[in-house]
Amino acid sequence: RKEVEQDPGPFNVPEGATVAFNCTYSNSASQSFFWYRQDCRKEPKLLMSVYSSGNEDGRFTAQLNRASQYISLLIRDSKLSDSATYLCAVKGGGGSYIPTFGRGTSLIVHP
Amino acid sequence: SAVISQKPSRDICQRGTSLTIQCQVDSQVTMMFWYRQQPGQSLTLIATANQGSEATYESGFVIDKFPISRPNLTFSTLTVSNMSPEDSSIYLCSVGQGAGEQFFGPGTRLTVL
Repeated sequence: RKEVEQDPGPFNVPEGATVAFNCTYSNSASQSFFWYRQDCRKEPKLLMSVYSSGNEDGRFTAQLNRASQYISLLIRDSKLSDSATYLCAVKGGGGSYIPTFGRGTSLIVHP
Repeated sequence: SAVISQKPSRDICQRGTSLTIQCQVDSQVTMMFWYRQQPGQSLTLIATANQGSEATYESGFVIDKFPISRPNLTFSTLTVSNMSPEDSSIYLCSVGQGAGEQFFGPGTRLTVL
């Protein structure tokens, strides 16, 4: 089983839709969790960290479920500019701070 | 936050040659990471470079093929040696402190003919 798994998609949604991605992780001792956005031919950039109590940033909501070992990202009122690949990342656990990335979920928002 | 620059941004190389990629960070960091990302694929960690010690390589990557230098806390190089077309990829330098977020350089797009 891979350490961090994501559905690669693509998720193809119309503008204004709500879309959610999940990411499962295998190391129960993981300490920190992140969502990154990667545009085509660009480097990944942090979208948001994921906190235990859940957190929101505008149209984006991130949740952590430690019991089931997954994190989620919810995007409301999708915009064309949200089209990108979304990578989850997990860090910590066992004293290692080497990040583990999922393979990314591709989102396409169409008019 | 950290600002990372990489050189070159892209290169086209002949098979059998070597290319050294430079990564410069605007602040001192303990751990620097080198990733490879092939078209449409996920990030693959090549190695972790700590200042003052040898790099730690992930399974499938060896020092002879990807020698790494880490002369100080703000700089690292990755060399792709004896290149073949299979080495065509984007190579990304990354830094992160402890359990915090990772920052990435803009990447080096390598094409091997």
